[in-house]
Amino acid sequence: AQSVTQPDARVTVSEGASLQLRCKYSYSGTPYLFWYVQYPRQGLQLLLKYYSGDPVVQGVNGFEAEFSKSNSSFHLRKASVHWSDSAVYFCVLSGTGGYKVVFGSGTRLLVSP
Amino acid sequence: EAAVTQSPRNKVTVTGGNVTLSCRQTNSHNYMYWYRQDTGHGLRLIHYSYGAGNLQIGDVPDGYKATRTTQEDFFLLLELASPSQTSLYFCASSHRDRGEQYFGPGTRLTVL
Repeated sequence: AQSVTQPDARVTVSEGASLQLRCKYSYSGTPYLFWYVQYPRQGLQLLLKYYSGDPVVQGVNGFEAEFSKSNSSFHLRKASVHWSDSAVYFCVLSGTGGYKVVFGSGTRLLVSP
Repeated sequence: EAAVTQSPRNKVTVTGGNVTLSCRQTNSHNYMYWYRQDTGHGLRLIHYSYGAGNLQIGDVPDGYKATRTTQEDFFLLLELASPSQTSLYFCASSHRDRGEQYFGPGTRLTVL
């Protein structure tokens, strides 16, 4: 069965600090993986995606993620966070065998001044 | 820029009431989806569609019907609304199977 785990429900970091949001997945095939961000009172927006190839993918606003097949992970990183990065971040897996998409439960990021 | 709109943005109804949530995308995407978002659950797929006239069942379909009338329009119907259907509903579209999705702004539904 497919699953996505975001082990940290809330993360607080200081502005200017580096960030890593964790995502672990369970899937026997080749996954398509995404990170989306949800700002307050808005829909989800795509940050980045991984289909294949280079395991480090670049996204918008300085975000990047690294795919690891051996660790079944797709962690999101940013070198220096800004207060405007405060939002909820979702890791998403898309599998095969008929349409199947699984969302993680989300990580709420708070950037403190 | 992908465009997905939803209406209404907020809706309050009573138990047993009929509700229709509307979604329109202007991206010429084939795939459209309805999700509900509840605290602690992330987003859960209710129904989805590959194109006009097509409907597929998602993970939490009970109590919901959906209809895809055109490539642009996808509707979610709650014919006998219950308080357990109080939630934030999102519509999304995508160009390809398994591809990135473009989300609407959401509809907050309250069933009293």
